[in-house]
Amino acid sequence: EVQLVESGGGLVQPGGSLRLSCAASGFTFRTYNMNWVRQAPGKGLEWLSYIGTSSSTIYYAHSVKGRFTVSRDNAKNSLYLHMNSLRDEDTAVYYCARESQAYYGGTGYLFFDNWGPGTLVTVSS
Amino acid sequence: DIQMTQSPSSVSASVGDRVTITCRASQGLGSWLAWYQQKPGKAPKLLIYAASTLQSGVPSRFSGSGSGTDFTLTISSLQPEDFATYYCQQANNFPLTFGGGTKVEIK
Repeated sequence: EVQLVESGGGLVQPGGSLRLSCAASGFTFRTYNMNWVRQAPGKGLEWLSYIGTSSSTIYYAHSVKGRFTVSRDNAKNSLYLHMNSLRDEDTAVYYCARESQAYYGGTGYLFFDNWGPGTLVTVSS
Repeated sequence: DIQMTQSPSSVSASVGDRVTITCRASQGLGSWLAWYQQKPGKAPKLLIYAASTLQSGVPSRFSGSGSGTDFTLTISSLQPEDFATYYCQQANNFPLTFGGGTKVEIK
């Protein structure tokens, strides 16, 4: 069974830092691209970051570029999100999500087929 | 960046009703669109990918259609467990973006 479990959330002051982890099991982690998505209280979903299987390709949302850093350790089946210069508006539940692809007519369509339960980050003084 | 606009933002419906949710992209996506269902306090769950392909295990009352800029999620006969919030997501270009969500409520 595929499992993703986030950890590392908590209360942090504005300007502070936090590192989130996502432990993966039940699948060959090193062969899947991974993503982080967050959801502020009462709000919709916001994609944050993508990391390819070998960490050679990385993308960020504009809202976190330069402040957040995604990384992975394939030997440990783990995904990370290093968050610096945290702001009140970064308060949210943070999810890790596994990306899968389906191929039709030579085109690959990506989607997030497995998600962790999320970890809450609260930025407040 | 590609903007995703969902409508309506909420809908009240009864068990057995047919419900249709639309998602419009600010530029053409081909079929690079996915739909997710989210219940309160839970992670999103994939329903449909490539605009119209049903994820394994998802009931056949869910269907997706569309291509380019206009997409639709249809629930043919609403069941009690379908009351939730639904999101579309474009997967054509980074940054990936989600629609604002449609909350399906009990009438």
